[in-house]
Amino acid sequence: RKEVEQDPGPFNVPEGATVAFNCTYSNSASQSFFWYRQDCRKEPKLLMSVYSSGNEDGRFTAQLNRASQYISLLIRDSKLSDSATYLCVSNYGGATNKLIFGTGTLLAVQP
Amino acid sequence: DAGVIQSPRHEVTEMGQEVTLRCKPISGHDYLFWYRQTMMRGLELLIYFNNNVPIDDSGMPEDRFSAKMPNASFSTLKIQPSEPRDSAVYFCASSLPSGVGPGELFFGEGSRLTVL
Repeated sequence: RKEVEQDPGPFNVPEGATVAFNCTYSNSASQSFFWYRQDCRKEPKLLMSVYSSGNEDGRFTAQLNRASQYISLLIRDSKLSDSATYLCVSNYGGATNKLIFGTGTLLAVQP
Repeated sequence: DAGVIQSPRHEVTEMGQEVTLRCKPISGHDYLFWYRQTMMRGLELLIYFNNNVPIDDSGMPEDRFSAKMPNASFSTLKIQPSEPRDSAVYFCASSLPSGVGPGELFFGEGSRLTVL
């Protein structure tokens, strides 16, 4: 089983739609969680951190469910510019800086 | 401020040749990471350093791969001899620690390697 698993997609959604991505992690000791965004042929960039209480940044909401070892990202009112690959990330376990990336979920927002 | 700088951006080489990828992290960042990205396997952590010391190299595929960080501003990833299955985009990233866990990773633009 992979340490971080995501549905690869693609998710094809119309502009204005709400879309949700899910991710599971295997190491219960993991403490830090993130969503990164990667545009085609570019480097990954941090989108947002994921906190136990859940957090929101504009149209983006991230949730963490430790009991189920599950992370989610919700994007409301999708824009064409949201088209990218979204990478779920966790540290391997405990207080370690070893960050493990999921293989990513491809989002294509259609006009 | 300059971000993470990698070179070369693109390299095409023949099987059996030595490949050296270079990285300059963001000044002041304590951590440096080397990742490899392929369509099939996504982003894989190869090795990471803290204060120039290798902390975890369990992701290095085999003895053909080696990485060094001789000082805080420079790291290399070497493949010798290279094989076609090494073809991938190699990313270097740096970060500051943040509390008890990792901080934001800042990635370079990547080195796209093709081994023929």
